[in-house]
Amino acid sequence: QLQLQESGPGLVKPSETLSLTCTVSGGSISSSSYYWGWIRQPPGKGLEWIGSIYYSGSTYYNPSLKSRVTISVDTSKNQFSLKLSSVTAADTAVYYCARQGSNWGSEAFDIWGQGTMVTVSS
Amino acid sequence: SYELTQPLSVSVALGQTARITCGGNNIGSKNVHWYQQKPGQAPVLVIYRDSNRPSGIPERFSGSNSGNTATLTISRAQAGDEADYYCQVWDSSLGVFGGGTKLTVL
Repeated sequence: QLQLQESGPGLVKPSETLSLTCTVSGGSISSSSYYWGWIRQPPGKGLEWIGSIYYSGSTYYNPSLKSRVTISVDTSKNQFSLKLSSVTAADTAVYYCARQGSNWGSEAFDIWGQGTMVTVSS
Repeated sequence: SYELTQPLSVSVALGQTARITCGGNNIGSKNVHWYQQKPGQAPVLVIYRDSNRPSGIPERFSGSNSGNTATLTISRAQAGDEADYYCQVWDSSLGVFGGGTKLTVL
């Protein structure tokens, strides 16, 4: 069955760029049936949608993060990635990647990665 | 920006019915999704598009959506249902989550 796995540094210094990759296994990221998203959760707090990408490269971002976020896709590696620049302590969170249906603007995140904790600290 | 309002906590006696609400302006016109999250785990989709259950989710979980309120109903609550629950919608192509509700089974 389809699985998603996040990877990347667990510690990032303030003002630097956070970089994470989500590897998709058990299915193709190039399927026209899905978007692929990033969601984060600060310790003890709720979920926040960061952005989503289609295999073609089409992206949607949360306006509150848009100036600092870049999501990209590498279909040859069956991966998609998140870059968040100029990080501060407020970006400390568990970062999840997830799959959503291709009917943009209405579908749920039906499969999630296990999440990876990223701490921003010097 | 669009906001979703959930109660911080809901308590239910073992075997009884729990109802968790999600309020939003004219939320009845949107597709509402519900996620269950247990401590230290990733969220799990339990209801999609208002009232549909993914495969593997017990029939005890149901959903409804009308007017300004969507509701997740958990019948015959079990100890294993104790978790945080989040509602989610899309508004103008932006993903929005509710603040989450902690369900306690007494």
